[in-house]
Amino acid sequence: NAGVTQTPKFQVLKTGQSMTLQCAQDMNHNSMYWYRQDPGMGLRLIYYSASEGTTDKGEVPNGYNVSRLNKREFSLRLESAAPSQTSVYFCASSAGLNTGELFFGEGSRLTVL
Amino acid sequence: AQTVTQSQPEMSVQEAETVTLSCTYDTSENNYYLFWYKQPPSRQMILVIRQEAYKQQNATENRFSVNFQKAAKSFSLKISDSQLGDTAMYFCAFSFYNNNDMRFGAGTRLTVKP
Repeated sequence: NAGVTQTPKFQVLKTGQSMTLQCAQDMNHNSMYWYRQDPGMGLRLIYYSASEGTTDKGEVPNGYNVSRLNKREFSLRLESAAPSQTSVYFCASSAGLNTGELFFGEGSRLTVL
Repeated sequence: AQTVTQSQPEMSVQEAETVTLSCTYDTSENNYYLFWYKQPPSRQMILVIRQEAYKQQNATENRFSVNFQKAAKSFSLKISDSQLGDTAMYFCAFSFYNNNDMRFGAGTRLTVKP
């Protein structure tokens, strides 16, 4: 089973460039999430989508946009990348509000020069 | 907002021994989940164990068990008979029942030595 799949796994950008991280899950989950992981800070929620057609801001949404394309796919876009957005990004999904457990992708390492 | 604190940035343990990772959290709510996730060098986050706040009994999963002290807002992870494959970053996490905002601690890097 693929679970949660993220692409690309690695990306290097120059300041000001834009890019989109793609995420797809095949578990028929309602909720999807984007987190960033920085050294010494754990994972911080950027945006989430509780169900198809809805998105909400998390703890650190500035500089990002998201699209819940359908139930399977949830993309994260950086419109004008900044060095502060250098991080490892994780997509996750869960079955719904009352289950708690998240299923994660393998992460995407983004470097902004 | 709820916060999760892991006070041990790094720990090490000899193979076959027992180690306990600490976690404290802060919330004024009564219903929530607590989790321990493992992140090996491959980066994939894997759920180790989960505890529902209303359950007084501590969760166990094979060699992994928790000590959940609700009044003290403490949620420690005990790994028994440590194995080399347990080497990883361990994250404590908190989530409300009806909230999508799961909060993570900063993580503890555990090294199991042969």
